[in-house]
Amino acid sequence: AQSVTQPDIHITVSEGASLELRCNYSYGATPYLFWYVQSPGQGLQLLLKYFSGDTLVQGIKGFEAEFKRSQSSFNLRKPSVHWSDAAEYFCAVGGGGGADGLTFGKGTHLIIQP
Amino acid sequence: EAQVTQNPRYLITVTGKKLTVTCSQNMNHEYMSWYRQDPGLGLRQIYYSMNVEVTDKGDVPEGYKVSRKEKRNFPLILESPSPNQTSLYFCASKLAGGRETQYFGPGTRLLVL
Repeated sequence: AQSVTQPDIHITVSEGASLELRCNYSYGATPYLFWYVQSPGQGLQLLLKYFSGDTLVQGIKGFEAEFKRSQSSFNLRKPSVHWSDAAEYFCAVGGGGGADGLTFGKGTHLIIQP
Repeated sequence: EAQVTQNPRYLITVTGKKLTVTCSQNMNHEYMSWYRQDPGLGLRQIYYSMNVEVTDKGDVPEGYKVSRKEKRNFPLILESPSPNQTSLYFCASKLAGGRETQYFGPGTRLLVL
């Protein structure tokens, strides 16, 4: 069965500093990988996704993520965070097959210090 | 505007009183799904539907029912709610295929007393 681990429950970063959120997945075949962001009181918004090709993917709001098959990882990065980036971030894995759904990690809560 | 809508956004009810949370999408998506979000547990799938009249259980289906009579609607039914169903619920939809992006509704916060 597929699974997603986000090792960091909370991360605190100073405004303007760089950010890396970790995501490890378990999946038998080539996974489809997603990062979503949930701002306070809001639904989930897709930041970026990977399913093939270039292992470095660019997303919205200046985020990028790198797929590393050897490490089963799909870490999210941003070179300089803004106060508006404070939110909950979810990594998810999906694949083919009948279910077609997503398996989510438990999320990482990002706090931005002024 | 392409969107997934849910109603109500907030609901307080009592144990055993049947309720329905509606979900509608205007993107002609085949696939629809319900998730619940609980602190420290992330999002877990309750039920999903690959198309009209085709539904199946997700990871946490106990205590819930769904129906898919029309392509755009996918209501979630709690026939006898219990306090452990207090949660934040999200509906999502997408085109068929694992690569497709799921679009989420704004969420329904449910409190069962």
